[in-house]
Amino acid sequence: AQSVTQLGSHVSVSEGALVLLRCNYSSSVPPYLFWYVQYPNQGLQLLLKYTSAATLVKGINGFEAEFKKSETSFHLTKPSAHMSDAAEYFCAVSERPGNQFYFGTGTSLTVIP
Amino acid sequence: GAGVSQTPSNKVTEKGKYVELRCDPISGHTALYWYRQSLGQGPEFLIYFQGTGAADDSGLPNDRFFAVRPEGSVSTLKIQRTERGDSAVYLCASSRTITATDTQYFGPGTRLTVL
Repeated sequence: AQSVTQLGSHVSVSEGALVLLRCNYSSSVPPYLFWYVQYPNQGLQLLLKYTSAATLVKGINGFEAEFKKSETSFHLTKPSAHMSDAAEYFCAVSERPGNQFYFGTGTSLTVIP
Repeated sequence: GAGVSQTPSNKVTEKGKYVELRCDPISGHTALYWYRQSLGQGPEFLIYFQGTGAADDSGLPNDRFFAVRPEGSVSTLKIQRTERGDSAVYLCASSRTITATDTQYFGPGTRLTVL
């Protein structure tokens, strides 16, 4: 069975500081990995995805993530936090062949002015 | 174009009642997924369709839950004899195909409250 673990249910950073949200996966096959963001009262929006191409993946809004097989990790980063980044972030791994997602429990990001 | 839509946005029902939740996927998307998100948790997979057929329903919690997609477009999630533990946000997503390179687009969800 595939699963993801998100370390830290709540993360607070100052505006302009580095954002690091952690995700570790467990998979019996090479994984496909995703980060989604959920703003208050909005649906889930894809930030970025890893599907066996480049290990460093760039997404929307300045976010990026690096797939590290040796560490079974897919951490999300952004060099400089903006107030608008405050949201809930979910890491997910997809199951083949249907591509259904298995999500982590989420990390709530707070950006302090 | 229009995104994934779900109706109703909110549903309040009494324990033991039957409810139907509707999902309208993006036009032309053959894959449709249902997830359930309980408070403070990540979405949990329930079932997915490829076309009209339910390809994997292993996430449905028990036989009170059932979903259909008769014409390969709109899908309905049906819950019989609702229980308080069924209270959650039910999310629907669709993608052009089931391949991982095709983005899954999520609807806004239906918030179900069972009193």
